[in-house]
Amino acid sequence: DTAVSQTPKYLVTQMGNDKSIKCEQNLGHDTMYWYKQDSKKFLKIMFSYNNKELIINETVPNRFSPKSPDKAHLNLHINSLELGDSAVYFCASSPAGVDEQYFGPGTRLTVT
Amino acid sequence: AQSVSQHNHHVILSEAASLELGCNYSYGGTVNLFWYVQYPGQHLQLLLKYFSGDPLVKGIKGFEAEFIKSKFSFNLRKPSVQWSDTAEYFCAVTSSGTYKYIFGTGTRLKVLA
Repeated sequence: DTAVSQTPKYLVTQMGNDKSIKCEQNLGHDTMYWYKQDSKKFLKIMFSYNNKELIINETVPNRFSPKSPDKAHLNLHINSLELGDSAVYFCASSPAGVDEQYFGPGTRLTVT
Repeated sequence: AQSVSQHNHHVILSEAASLELGCNYSYGGTVNLFWYVQYPGQHLQLLLKYFSGDPLVKGIKGFEAEFIKSKFSFNLRKPSVQWSDTAEYFCAVTSSGTYKYIFGTGTRLKVLA
C-alpha cells in the first residue's frame, strides 16, 4: 500500500492552462504539505494544512490554490500556468507539524 | 529568519571512502533536525532525525549524524560509502510550535564504483 500517493506522475501542458494535482495519504496523519522542487533540486514549502485547515501559505502566487476536502487529501490547483511553474511538486504528510515527513513520489510538471 | 546551509553542493567519492556532509542552521530556539535522502528519480526518504537526548543519532544504511548545539550543526557521516549511496542529501530543520520545515539546498553525492 502506498503511504502518500500523487496523481498524475507526469503532467505536460501549455502556458495559460489550468491543471490540478491530487494527493492522498493513508497514514492517518493530521498535517499535509505541498513542496516545489526546482531544476536545481531546491525544495521549497508552498502550503501546509493541519486537519483541513490552512496553516502555512508561503509567498506563492495566488494562481496556486490548495484544497483539502478531508484530512487524507490535499490537492493543488494551478491557474494560468507559466513556464516558471515547471518543476517537480511533492506532497508530504506528517503525524505532527514538527515530526518526520512522508513524501509522495512527486509530479513532474512541464509547461511549454 | 530561519535558514539551513549545506556547504557542499557536489561531492564525489570512491567506494569505501568516508563521508561527511555539513549542515548548519540558523535558529535560536529548540529545533528538531533531519536528514533526508533522494535517490535518482525517487521521492525523499528519512535517513535519521534528532529531537533530543544523545546528540549522536544513528539512521538507516549505516548513516549517523551529530548534533553540536554550540556550532548549530548537524553533520551527516558514513564511514564507508557504497555506489548505491549516490543520491541527493537534504538537511532539514523544524522548530517547536511551528509546522514549517526548512530544507537546505541539498548535497549531490556521487560514489564511483
